[in-house]
Amino acid sequence: GDQVEQSPSALSLHEGTGSALRCNFTTTMRAVQWFQQNSRGSLINLFYLASGTKENGRLKSTFNSKESYSTLHIRDAQLEDSGTYFCAAETLPPGTGSNRLTFGKGTKFSLIP
Amino acid sequence: EAAVTQSPRNKVAVTGGKVTLSCNQTNNHNNMYWYRQDTGHGLRLIHYSYGAGSTEKGDIPDGYKASRPSQENFSLILELATPSQTSVYFCASGEKRLGAYEQYFGPGTRLTVL
Repeated sequence: GDQVEQSPSALSLHEGTGSALRCNFTTTMRAVQWFQQNSRGSLINLFYLASGTKENGRLKSTFNSKESYSTLHIRDAQLEDSGTYFCAAETLPPGTGSNRLTFGKGTKFSLIP
Repeated sequence: EAAVTQSPRNKVAVTGGKVTLSCNQTNNHNNMYWYRQDTGHGLRLIHYSYGAGSTEKGDIPDGYKASRPSQENFSLILELATPSQTSVYFCASGEKRLGAYEQYFGPGTRLTVL
């Protein structure tokens, strides 16, 4: 099965409302990154978390490594939030000094006019 | 100014032909990565590198080779392109800073193999 299970696969919100996206990990992960893919296809870095909670504007993310999940909260949704959100879980291959990311399948977010 | 650039941005190739996708980064990062993105699969790691001269297999390396001739450049090579390799390819760079390995992505290359 997939190592990173992302839900929901699609989300529609009215402007000004909010919701949460979630990623569950089937194995222990060292850290998580969240990205927004915009309409042009570009991947925008939102958060990198090895633990705890980070907040940036209307976005907040939490990573619970013990319970193997991460969440991304969007509040006061705006048009510029549209796109697809991906979580990516990090592991560290031994002897390389590098990390590897395993991506979820994404949450397609759209604003209801 | 874009720190990770990819060329070409769009490519049409024929089955059996050789395709080289190029990536350049000005972040001075040690690590570079190649992913592909297909509908329903998110991004999947093909190859990565932790420094000039190194290449490592990712999760789906079959049918691809990689080359890291310098800190700045990382290429993905399809020796015999097949239609199943039609996809959007992303390059990324990153390295460990203050305990974090954050990756930064290029704009992507859309490859169509006919």
